[in-house]
Amino acid sequence: DTAVSQTPKYLVTQMGNDKSIKCEQNLGHDTMYWYKQDSKKFLKIMFSYNNKELIINETVPNRFSPKSPDKAHLNLHINSLELGDSAVYFCASSQNVEFYTFGSGTRLTVV
Amino acid sequence: QKEVEQNSGPLSVPEGAIASLNCTYSDRGSQSFFWYRQYSGKSPELIMSIYSNGDKEDGRFTAQLNKASQYVSLLIRDSQPSDSATYLCAVDLYNFNKFYFGSGTKLNVKP
Repeated sequence: DTAVSQTPKYLVTQMGNDKSIKCEQNLGHDTMYWYKQDSKKFLKIMFSYNNKELIINETVPNRFSPKSPDKAHLNLHINSLELGDSAVYFCASSQNVEFYTFGSGTRLTVV
Repeated sequence: QKEVEQNSGPLSVPEGAIASLNCTYSDRGSQSFFWYRQYSGKSPELIMSIYSNGDKEDGRFTAQLNKASQYVSLLIRDSQPSDSATYLCAVDLYNFNKFYFGSGTKLNVKP
């Protein structure tokens, strides 16, 4: 069973569109995250939810809106996509500030 | 100043040699330190965690932490071509339950 699963794996879309990425974890972790990895491999945190509550909201355009319907799910909705949003988005989960378990990533390409 | 800094490399070592990867961090109060390995097109996977000064060994891997100098390193003994990947240093800066990642060091192990 996949511990942290993301869908879709690849997403190609045009500028201005709205898209969502879904994430689910079956590890029973309380905390979930969204990270963005740019072309230079730099992983940067975007959001974190602990038991459905937003606890970390880094400097991210408000076109990005996370939603956590329950502690096992954390989705990311992006409005009005821009070229600069092209990156790999990783979902991760953790328990008690222990190490992260990452999902397989979603490669978003905005054309 | 970046919160977590790594030399981007690439670091090239011959098969069987010791690969030494270094990372420095900005927050003297950081408590948790991690090394992740990321193969091209894959998600990061945890290799080592270290929390106290000194060395921690796990198989061919040794993590070293020096809090006074604010650096953490990873040694890979008997390097194998399969070790070729990007190695990411992660630090729980400010103990805010979020990890700051370095930009990663690309390691090439030549047969």
